[in-house]
Amino acid sequence: DAKTTQPTSMDCAEGRAANLPCNHSTISGNEYVYWYRQIHSQGPQYIIHGLKNNETNEMASLIITEDRKSSTLILPHATLRDTAVYYCIVRVDTTGNQFYFGTGTSLTVIP
Amino acid sequence: DVKVTQSSRYLVKRTGEKVFLECVQDMDHENMFWYRQDPGLGLRLIYFSYDVKMKEKGDIPEGYSVSREKKERFSLILESASTNQTSMYLCASTYVNTGELFFGEGSRLTVL
Repeated sequence: DAKTTQPTSMDCAEGRAANLPCNHSTISGNEYVYWYRQIHSQGPQYIIHGLKNNETNEMASLIITEDRKSSTLILPHATLRDTAVYYCIVRVDTTGNQFYFGTGTSLTVIP
Repeated sequence: DVKVTQSSRYLVKRTGEKVFLECVQDMDHENMFWYRQDPGLGLRLIYFSYDVKMKEKGDIPEGYSVSREKKERFSLILESASTNQTSMYLCASTYVNTGELFFGEGSRLTVL
């Protein structure tokens, strides 16, 4: 599975959009992009995933570049409860394939 | 609501003790995973299982074993706990061939 690169930390003002980038330049054609987040002292929580097309759900939007070498997770109106570590993972959805979480991006939403 | 339950949130054990960490999921998931999480190192996979009685080593299996006798339960065993196994342990499960992991709340183990 391809590895990902994320900034170590980011700040975002409350109420503004938080844009979290992820680089996955070695992604292969059948690898999905997944995003998870982990709020302090809790287990990680699934946010969203996609293959080629942009995706949106009630939590966030996922924008994948046309060449699929990078993606951006967008939290449209960040709240203090969005302060967490955000993980970008690429993975082929086949039994036995691992999820490599890395160290993620620590997002702090500032009042 | 889907649920992954870990037996203990906090444990304190002594060096050399045998430690059992239990994980139960109520979603009929085929795949189950054990991770440990340490500051600066992220989540690292210890073992995973994609069926009853099946197990696969992850990246850091040394010093650990696992048991999956029933589909809903995946146990992590530390045969002889050591201080370097002090960590947060996270259990997760998912349906086969999907990437939506469901995690438990974690078990924070301290080995003295």
